[in-house]
Amino acid sequence: DAGVIQSPRHEVTEMGQEVTLRCKPISGHDYLFWYRQTMMRGLELLIYFNNNVPIDDSGMPEDRFSAKMPNASFSTLKIQPSEPRDSAVYFCASTEPVGNTIYFGEGSWLTVV
Amino acid sequence: DAKTTQPNSMESNEEEPVHLPCNHSTISGTDYIHWYRQLPSQGPEYVIHGLTSNVNNRMASLAIAEDRKSSTLILHRATLRDAAVYYCILYSGGYQKVTFGIGTKLQVIP
Repeated sequence: DAGVIQSPRHEVTEMGQEVTLRCKPISGHDYLFWYRQTMMRGLELLIYFNNNVPIDDSGMPEDRFSAKMPNASFSTLKIQPSEPRDSAVYFCASTEPVGNTIYFGEGSWLTVV
Repeated sequence: DAKTTQPNSMESNEEEPVHLPCNHSTISGTDYIHWYRQLPSQGPEYVIHGLTSNVNNRMASLAIAEDRKSSTLILHRATLRDAAVYYCILYSGGYQKVTFGIGTKLQVIP
């Protein structure tokens, strides 16, 4: 199994540009999570999906952030427009329907200048 | 969400045992105690979990207090590769919002 796959691994963009982060969960997992990690706040949950439906987006910082899951094998996290304070590592994770383990991707390292 | 409290950082000498504490006084009866660790430049990875009884696996041991309000992750012989951030979380299954927080940064001294 290839695990949770995220792209891009690294992105540097200018303030005001649109950023799209992508995630492919492990096949058969029906929960998908997007996390953001910074030094100050640690690992924060932004949003999670169950069977492609957003369940809780209370962690999404503001309207500039949006997430979609058009099918069971793909999700996107979009930031538009991006700001320097959005610089962080963004992790996607997935879990089995009744499993106990959350599997994380390797993260997307975003720098907004 | 039920919350956990961990020290921000700990140090250990190589080859020595390490006891990483976690307090979770508001734990509910259905919450499992999970531990994850995050190596530098990687995503968190699962270490161990338990409900009431102590648990052992190839990576670590988990000691759970009788009242379940605290737990301890035990690394029996710390190696340099164990230097990571360790997260203690409460998790009842895929339907629950899971938060990780800051965790404990473990430094292993050669």
